[in-house]
Amino acid sequence: EPEVTQTPSHQVTQMGQEVILRCVPISNHLYFYWYRQILGQKVEFLVSFYNNEISEKSEIFDDQFSVERPDGSNFTLKIRSTKLEDSAMYFCASSGAGGMSLYEQYFGPGTRLTVT
Amino acid sequence: SQQGEEDPQALSIQEGENATMNCSYKTSINNLQWYRQNSGRGLVHLILIRSNEREKHSGRLRVTLDTSKKSSSLLITASRAADTASYFCATSGTSYGKLTFGQGTILTVHP
Repeated sequence: EPEVTQTPSHQVTQMGQEVILRCVPISNHLYFYWYRQILGQKVEFLVSFYNNEISEKSEIFDDQFSVERPDGSNFTLKIRSTKLEDSAMYFCASSGAGGMSLYEQYFGPGTRLTVT
Repeated sequence: SQQGEEDPQALSIQEGENATMNCSYKTSINNLQWYRQNSGRGLVHLILIRSNEREKHSGRLRVTLDTSKKSSSLLITASRAADTASYFCATSGTSYGKLTFGQGTILTVHP
């Protein structure tokens, strides 16, 4: 069964460093998303991406964040200068395959980002 | 905000019993989706119900949606220890729009 994959599973970085989180969405999906979950809190939406551009972003997704689909398979989230409060589990999701599962968002296993 | 809020926050039952979790939201939705999350792991998609649907089934799962009350319920029948997890509802105002998650219900099924 197709699935969303994410790398790395765990990333430790120092405050102020840049990190890139990588995702490979399900191959025939058209819509891509990033969410995050701070430990013990709700899953929060960051950004959605369609047709090679951002379709929606949250207040969390400020100038320190960017997304890119550099090729036909990868979808990346970059944090330019990490802060302690960026420590969270980051989830990538994708949707839009057509048929009955058109609107279902399928999530990857997550990347746990720890900023020290 | 169209946040989903789950009730109860925690539910503890014996294997074989049914588990019912409720979700309320505040604004109109296009669809509502339920997810399961095992401790520290990813989100597993369980079921999606559209705003024009009232009930859906998938295996041991039954989801209802009452748009007049802005609420949904997830019923897991004949629960198993492996069903132990956190369960979240998530709403979307548009077909492919962002999901807004609730706080979740922690379900513990004792063998």
